[in-house]
Amino acid sequence: DTGVSQNPRHKITKRGQNVTFRCDPISEHNRLYWYRQTLGQGPEFLTYFQNEAQLEKSRLLSDRFSAERPKGSFSTLEIQRTEQGDSAMYLCASSLARRLTRETQYFGPGTRLLVL
Amino acid sequence: GQQLNQSPQSMFIQEGEDVSMNCTSSSIFNTWLWYKQDPGEGPVLLIALYKAGELTSNGRLTAQFGITRKDSFLNISASIPSDVGIYFCAGQPQGAQKLVFGQGTRLTINP
Repeated sequence: DTGVSQNPRHKITKRGQNVTFRCDPISEHNRLYWYRQTLGQGPEFLTYFQNEAQLEKSRLLSDRFSAERPKGSFSTLEIQRTEQGDSAMYLCASSLARRLTRETQYFGPGTRLLVL
Repeated sequence: GQQLNQSPQSMFIQEGEDVSMNCTSSSIFNTWLWYKQDPGEGPVLLIALYKAGELTSNGRLTAQFGITRKDSFLNISASIPSDVGIYFCAGQPQGAQKLVFGQGTRLTINP
């Protein structure tokens, strides 16, 4: 069990550029979550997948944001036409959801985005 | 939407002291979780609570799931320097899979 991994760990970009982040969940975890965390705040939910299906999206996820999990394993989060307000830590979490078992979300180290 | 009120926002204590922090909500939660986050890192799970009234320990940490399902507390006994960090409570609302987080409690320890 190598834990949730995220790449890159840091990203600096200019306003208007597109960025893409990757998350590799814990092996065999069927649910994958994306959260955003701004300085001094707790993480806020963006979206989640069960296997390859995207089941819920937050109102925080504007149309410039898109997430995919094409094969039900790793996921990517893309932000198009970045704005300075997109600067934040983007966290990925994964969990194993099964009937009659308790689900617990485990977080990766995050990708810190700075938009200049 | 659901909100969690976490208090205190910050604590400054001496090494060896006990610490207590709590979270309250106006909504019912099915699960309460406590995470610790170090600067530049993701939250690390400390304790998970799944039943109202449940009291769980993990070493020097003890947490309880409130009977009303609207609150939880975390206690740390005999604090040590590595306890420094930000502690977050998180709840899983009824019928939802996402977690809702509190604002965090920043713990600072004077040696």
